[in-house]
Amino acid sequence: ILNVEQSPQSLHVQEGDSTNFTCSFPSSNFYALHWYRWETAKSPEALFVMTLNGDEKKKGRISATLNTKEGYSYLYIKGSQPEDSATYLCAFPAFSGGYNKLIFGAGTRLAVHP
Amino acid sequence: DGGITQSPKYLFRKEGQNVTLSCEQNLNHDAMYWYRQDPGQGLRLIYYSQIVNDFQKGDIAEGYSVSREKKESFPLTVTSAQKNPTAFYLCASSISRHRVYEQYFGPGTRLTVT
Repeated sequence: ILNVEQSPQSLHVQEGDSTNFTCSFPSSNFYALHWYRWETAKSPEALFVMTLNGDEKKKGRISATLNTKEGYSYLYIKGSQPEDSATYLCAFPAFSGGYNKLIFGAGTRLAVHP
Repeated sequence: DGGITQSPKYLFRKEGQNVTLSCEQNLNHDAMYWYRQDPGQGLRLIYYSQIVNDFQKGDIAEGYSVSREKKESFPLTVTSAQKNPTAFYLCASSISRHRVYEQYFGPGTRLTVT
């Protein structure tokens, strides 16, 4: 059974703090790793799709790294702002029965306090 | 604007009644998905569809049914056979079944059955 673990479950930081959290996934048969951001009362939206070991992607103050050999990805937020408050989900694609199936972690809920 | 719409946002039903959740997309995506979220858990796949008139069971399909008569529409029926139907339901789509492509999500429907 494929499992995707995220830690911590929740995180409270002050505005301006930098923070990071982890996604662990199966290291065998790796194809890609997705990161999504889910703000309250909105739809989850894709942040990054990472495919290469050692890959680093950046979007504004948010960046992510990928280690496929050991099966983890880090998401970093530099200088957190209240608008960064959201749940951050990672998802691991499993190719089952010829279909794209995403296995999601439970998410890290980030609260940034002014 | 292209996107995914789900209606209604909140739905209340009595136990024993079937209920249908709507999902429409105008992104011209081939693949569509239904997920369920319960507190403290990741999104779990209920059903997915690659093309019109085709759909496959996900991990927790029991008590649910779907149809895909049009490319843009993928309604989910929660039947009375679903033992714990109260949950948050998300619909998603992606360009194709290829696993690299990110999924686009609707705003979700919160179903409460009493």
